[in-house]
Amino acid sequence: DTGVSQNPRHKITKRGQNVTFRCDPISEHNRLYWYRQTLGQGPEFLTYFQNEAQLEKSRLLSDRFSAERPKGSFSTLEIQRTEQGDSAMYLCASSFTTGRNNEQYFGPGTRLTVT
Amino acid sequence: GDSVTQMEGPVTLSEEAFLTINCTYTATGYPSLFWYVQYPGEGLQLLLKATKADDKGSNKGFEATYRKETTSFHLEKGSVQVSDSAVYFCALSDLGSNTGKLIFGQGTTLQVKP
Repeated sequence: DTGVSQNPRHKITKRGQNVTFRCDPISEHNRLYWYRQTLGQGPEFLTYFQNEAQLEKSRLLSDRFSAERPKGSFSTLEIQRTEQGDSAMYLCASSFTTGRNNEQYFGPGTRLTVT
Repeated sequence: GDSVTQMEGPVTLSEEAFLTINCTYTATGYPSLFWYVQYPGEGLQLLLKATKADDKGSNKGFEATYRKETTSFHLEKGSVQVSDSAVYFCALSDLGSNTGKLIFGQGTTLQVKP
């Protein structure tokens, strides 16, 4: 088990461009989360998948953001028409256990810089 | 809504000093509580957890006790090492939403000097 992986690790883009990030969770994990972390802050929840179903989206996730998890395996997070305020670290986490023992395992993150 | 508050950093200690990082939470129910650590250039790693009142989580010499009466989950270590230098995040699991999403504090940077 190689853990949660994310690609790319870094992305620099110009304002107005679209970007897509990928997350590969731990293989047997059916739960997948996306978080966003800005400098000096803790991660903030963006969205949650159980298998292929997207069950919750944060109000932080504007219409420019979309996430998918086809076949309940890897997930993608797309940001359309990027803005400078989108610059952040985007973290993916996965878990298998439910309820109180829901331990989430995080990937290394994708750092987005919008110029 | 639920929230987590951590003491502000950075916390600077000499090697072998005693560490306390305060964490308090606000929640409508009784969430599970976690400490995550982020070493420079690395992702978040689960350090320890506690799932109910009076539980003590422990790992790598760190420990924290779930105190329902004071809504706290302070992180402690008896003797820190230079390798403990990192950012520490307290978090709670939002059981009310059925997703188990985590709500994090703002993080506390620990610097340990030799």
